[in-house]
Amino acid sequence: RKEVEQDPGPFNVPEGATVAFNCTYSNSASQSFFWYRQDCRKEPKLLMSVYSSGNEDGRFTAQLNRASQYISLLIRDSKLSDSATYLCVVSPLYNQGGKLIFGQGTELSVKP
Amino acid sequence: DAGVTQSPTHLIKTRGQHVTLRCSPISGHKSVSWYQQVLGQGPQFIFQYYEKEERGRGNFPDRFSARQFPNYSSELNVNALLLGDSALYLCASSRDTDTQYFGPGTRLTVL
Repeated sequence: RKEVEQDPGPFNVPEGATVAFNCTYSNSASQSFFWYRQDCRKEPKLLMSVYSSGNEDGRFTAQLNRASQYISLLIRDSKLSDSATYLCVVSPLYNQGGKLIFGQGTELSVKP
Repeated sequence: DAGVTQSPTHLIKTRGQHVTLRCSPISGHKSVSWYQQVLGQGPQFIFQYYEKEERGRGNFPDRFSARQFPNYSSELNVNALLLGDSALYLCASSRDTDTQYFGPGTRLTVL
């Protein structure tokens, strides 16, 4: 079983749609959780950290359920510029100390 | 401020050859991590160095090695290249345990 598993993609949605990505992780001792965004043939960039209380950044909302070992990302009012691969990331330590464990990524394509 | 830089950007090698990839972290960052990203997969952790000491190692064969220099730059070496080593190699830097910032990567093709 992979340490971090994400919804298989791709997700093809129209502009303005709401889209949700799901992710599960296997190590219950994991301490830190993140969503990264990766544009085609570019490096991953931190989108947001994920906290148990849930957190929101504009159109993006992330949720963490430690009991279920489940992480989610909700994007509202999708824009063409949201088209990218979204990577669910887990770290065994606080902040990002040590290695980051990435899911395989879910590709999002937002169409006009 | 300059971000993480990596060189070369692209590289083509043949099976059995050796390769050295280089990374310069963001100024003030003392930690460098290396990741391998195969097409269609997420990045996979290879090594982390902090203050020139290896802090962590992923599940990669001994053909993979790395080091960090006094100026905190780093090299990743891969010996006896295999076709399966073809990937995007990403370097990430951080001050210590905080956010890791990724460089643009080196795309390695092994023929």
